[in-house]
Amino acid sequence: NAGVTQTPKFRILKIGQSMTLQCAQDMNHNYMYWYRQDPGMGLKLIYYSVGAGITDKGEVPNGYNVSRSTTEDFPLRLELAAPSQTSVYFCASNLRSRGEKLFFGSGTQLSVL
Amino acid sequence: QQPVQSPQAVILREGEDAVINCSSSKALYSVHWYRQKHGEAPIFLMILLKGGEQKGHDKISASFNEKKQQSSLYLTASQLSYSGTYFCGTEYLASGNTPLVFGKGTRLSVIA
Repeated sequence: NAGVTQTPKFRILKIGQSMTLQCAQDMNHNYMYWYRQDPGMGLKLIYYSVGAGITDKGEVPNGYNVSRSTTEDFPLRLELAAPSQTSVYFCASNLRSRGEKLFFGSGTQLSVL
Repeated sequence: QQPVQSPQAVILREGEDAVINCSSSKALYSVHWYRQKHGEAPIFLMILLKGGEQKGHDKISASFNEKKQQSSLYLTASQLSYSGTYFCGTEYLASGNTPLVFGKGTRLSVIA
């Protein structure tokens, strides 16, 4: 059982470049989330999805886009990368939205220079 | 709307106890506790649902005070392996399926 798999683990981007962070889960979870974590800070929600074809904005969605075409995959797209998007990105999932623990991926360290 | 954690940081010697608090200004449905080691993903510790229950495993336990909208995490007889940043995450009673909102974390350092 792989759980939640994120790729890549590390990436350096130049300002203005675009990239997609991949996230896949094999637990048949309905709910998937993208969080970012800045140094010394908690996790801030970027986007989340309650099922295939349904996504919604979190607290800090600007500069990002998501799609959910299958239950397993929830990619996060960065368009026109900016230094403010330098962060660690975590993908997470759970079966139901209420009272269920989150399963986290191992994270992607992104630097925008 | 972010829950407030206190203290921000604490240093313990092995064997000492610590309490980490998580407070909300809104009525809570649940409180989650996670621990994160440097460079790793957060690891789930426990969930407390509204109702004032207390949970625990090994020497780590937590309580949920529904009246105060506060949860406390208790670490007793701390071990070196307890070092890390502890986050609480809250689900609000009135917010339907809105995802977890995390506090800023409490950095715990256990020294020999």
